[in-house]
Amino acid sequence: DTAVSQTPKYLVTQMGNDKSIKCEQNLGHDTMYWYKQDSKKFLKIMFSYNNKELIINETVPNRFSPKSPDKAHLNLHINSLELGDSAVYFCASSQGFMNTGELFFGEGSRLTVL
Amino acid sequence: GESVGLHLPTLSVQEGDNSIINCAYSNSASDYFIWYKQESGKGPQFIIDIRSNMDKRQGQRVTVLLNKTVKHLSLQIAATQPGDSAVYFCAENRDAGGGNKLTFGTGTQLKVEL
Repeated sequence: DTAVSQTPKYLVTQMGNDKSIKCEQNLGHDTMYWYKQDSKKFLKIMFSYNNKELIINETVPNRFSPKSPDKAHLNLHINSLELGDSAVYFCASSQGFMNTGELFFGEGSRLTVL
Repeated sequence: GESVGLHLPTLSVQEGDNSIINCAYSNSASDYFIWYKQESGKGPQFIIDIRSNMDKRQGQRVTVLLNKTVKHLSLQIAATQPGDSAVYFCAENRDAGGGNKLTFGTGTQLKVEL
């Protein structure tokens, strides 16, 4: 059983399109995250949710809209895609949203914007 | 500014040797550090963590050392194996107004030579 699963694994699209990435975790965790990893492997937090409530919004453009229908799911919708959005997006989860560094990451969704 | 960074982008070691991956941080107030391993095509995986009230912590074949005086931490891998080949990240957990916020360093590529 995959603990944190993301779909799709690969996504190629044109500039200006809207796309979504879905994430589900079966670990029973309360907190979920989205991280962005650029071409230089730099990982940066975008959002975190705890029990469907937004905790961290790391000054991400409002073209990015996370949605958490329940605590096991955190989806990421991106409007008006730009070239600079090309990256690998990782979903993660943790038990608790404070004072823990043990995050469980999915395998990533590689987004390529042409 | 505050940052978490790595000294060496690539480290090559012979199978069976010990590996040492270094990380420097600049925020004296940082008190919780984590090491992650990322294999090619996968998400980061938690290895070990350490809090500032400790200067050493051991896991299975791994040891993390923290030197608060010079704001440096290291990950030591004993008897390095081919399966240890990956990018290793140090990360700092900053509790941003009530939520985990891992700030990752730039990563070190560990290559294990047979």
